[in-house]
Amino acid sequence: EAGVTQFPSHSVIEKGQTVTLRCDPISGHDNLYWYRRVMGKEIKFLLHFVKESKQDESGMPNNRFLAERTGGTYSTLKVQPAELEDSGVYFCASSHLTFMGGYTFGSGTRLTVV
Amino acid sequence: RKEVEQDPGPFNVPEGATVAFNCTYSNSASQSFFWYRQDCRKEPKLLMSVYSSGNEDGRFTAQLNRASQYISLLIRDSKLSDSATYLCVVKGGGSNYKLTFGKGTLLTVNP
Repeated sequence: EAGVTQFPSHSVIEKGQTVTLRCDPISGHDNLYWYRRVMGKEIKFLLHFVKESKQDESGMPNNRFLAERTGGTYSTLKVQPAELEDSGVYFCASSHLTFMGGYTFGSGTRLTVV
Repeated sequence: RKEVEQDPGPFNVPEGATVAFNCTYSNSASQSFFWYRQDCRKEPKLLMSVYSSGNEDGRFTAQLNRASQYISLLIRDSKLSDSATYLCVVKGGGSNYKLTFGKGTLLTVNP
């Protein structure tokens, strides 16, 4: 089966610009998650979708971040306007509704804000 | 106090060595425990789940002590290909699917 796909793999933008990250989960995975690793820190949870609904968005840093999952398939994470501290690697992951089999992570989007 | 704390590392060991990683977690309500492996500039990949009775997968042995809120990973007869960052990961119970990661411990196995 195809894995979790993230696009783009790298993005370099200027402070104040907007960036949209995309994640395509494994087909049939109702759970979709976004995580982020800022340099020197641990990987941190951002939010969790069950199908198209936000189950938990407690990790979203502030209202410059907007995640959507229209139709319960792929998800987008938009950062607007981007700040320097938003630089890091953004991972998407997906799992079955019952969490059986655990998570599968995508290869991540490396975001650099300059 | 961090939710999941790991040995800071890095660990440099020769091939064939035995290496142990330690991890503690602060949330006593945590229900599931894992070791993930992350290669440089790659995504985390599940190495093994950790069960209360302890479990083994080939050269890898994981232990969990709920009373002490302590998790360990032992790698025996280490190989060059074991070089990676090892992440201790904890999950809440029930419908809480959020994973909490430790910062990771970098292992380099030298020839």
